[in-house]
Amino acid sequence: EVQVLESGGGLAQPGGSLRLSCAASGFTFSNYAMSWVRQAGGKGLEWVSGVTGSGRSTYYADSVKGRFTISRDNSKNTLYLQMNSLRVEDTAVYYCAKDNEGGFYGSGSPLDTWGPGALVTVSS
Amino acid sequence: DIQMTQSPSSLSASVGDRVTITCRASQSINIYLNWYQHKAGKAPKVLIYAASKLQSGVPSRFSGSGSGTDFTLTINSLQPEDSAIYYCQQSYNMRTFGQGTKVEVK
Repeated sequence: EVQVLESGGGLAQPGGSLRLSCAASGFTFSNYAMSWVRQAGGKGLEWVSGVTGSGRSTYYADSVKGRFTISRDNSKNTLYLQMNSLRVEDTAVYYCAKDNEGGFYGSGSPLDTWGPGALVTVSS
Repeated sequence: DIQMTQSPSSLSASVGDRVTITCRASQSINIYLNWYQHKAGKAPKVLIYAASKLQSGVPSRFSGSGSGTDFTLTINSLQPEDSAIYYCQQSYNMRTFGQGTKVEVK
């Protein structure tokens, strides 16, 4: 069964850091791009970041560029999101999602597998 | 950046009704448009990909159409379990979601 499972959420102070992890199973992890998507309370879904299967190319939403870093360890089938300089507005449930076999341009494939989400709260 | 605009933001319909949600992209995205259903406390679920292709396991009452900038999600014969928020998402250049449409089944 194809699965992804987030971990590492919790409470952080404004200006602080947290690292999310996403463990993948049931598919050839290195063949697939991966994405992080978040949902702040009462708001819609926001795509945060993505990385190609090789890990060589990374992409970010403007709202997190320069503060968040996405990476992956294909030997461990694990995706990461390092979040620095956290702001109150970063408070959200963060989802890891399996993306497509290509890249982030002209993809006909959806985010077809999502984890249950990890809650990140940024508060003093 | 590509912006996605959905309408309406919410709707209420009865069991058995046909419901239509529209999504407009700020530039042409070909057919690179996906639709998701999101229920509170659960992970989002893909319904339609590449504008009109039904994801495996999704009931056939869900359908999608459109290309370029204008897209539609239709739910035929609305069921109680269809109460959720529906999002469109472009995969033409990075990823962007619409703001969501809340569907209430009366």
